[in-house]
Amino acid sequence: KAGVTQTPRYLIKTRGQQVTLSCSPISGHRSVSWYQQTPGQGLQFLFEYFSETQRNKGNFPGRFSGRQFSNSRSEMNVSTLELGDSALYLCASSATPIYNEQFFGPGTRLTVL
Amino acid sequence: DQQVKQNSPSLSVQEGRISILNCDYTNSMFDYFLWYKKYPAEGPTFLISISSIKDKNEDGRFTVFLNKSAKHLSLHIVPSQPGDSAVYFCAARSNNNDMRFGAGTRLTVKP
Repeated sequence: KAGVTQTPRYLIKTRGQQVTLSCSPISGHRSVSWYQQTPGQGLQFLFEYFSETQRNKGNFPGRFSGRQFSNSRSEMNVSTLELGDSALYLCASSATPIYNEQFFGPGTRLTVL
Repeated sequence: DQQVKQNSPSLSVQEGRISILNCDYTNSMFDYFLWYKKYPAEGPTFLISISSIKDKNEDGRFTVFLNKSAKHLSLHIVPSQPGDSAVYFCAARSNNNDMRFGAGTRLTVKP
């Protein structure tokens, strides 16, 4: 069974631009969560989608948004990029909204110049 | 707000010895705790978990201890192996599925 895939793996953008990251969960998994990882901050929860509905949202500004498609694939969008948005963005999937069963993808490394 | 804290950013131990990674939390609503291991260029992988109704869970070389009164948990790795070198994240989940992670501890096991 293929794991969680994220595209692209690396991305370089400039301030003010917007970016869209993609996550394909493990086949059959309907829950997708997004996390931001920065040095010293650990993994910070962005949001979680289950069956195309956002179930939970972390404490991030409205520039961060996401969506989930009927095939459970998810996208995350960040508009008006800031230097502080440079981070590793991780996606995790699970069959149901049960976090102890989460499987993480390799992440997308975003650098904002 | 750092509801889950890993106060040691790094830890270095000798192969064969015990590694002890610590984690503190502030939210008494957390009822499930997890440890993840992360290698460079890979996503975190689930290692071991413990429910708040237990104080110990063991899986091979890995044991997690939970002290609810102190809001503290620890991960023990015995014996430590060079392949255990990675970043370890502590995570806590509340009953409304709110999930929080610590900042991670980088473990280095020296041969």
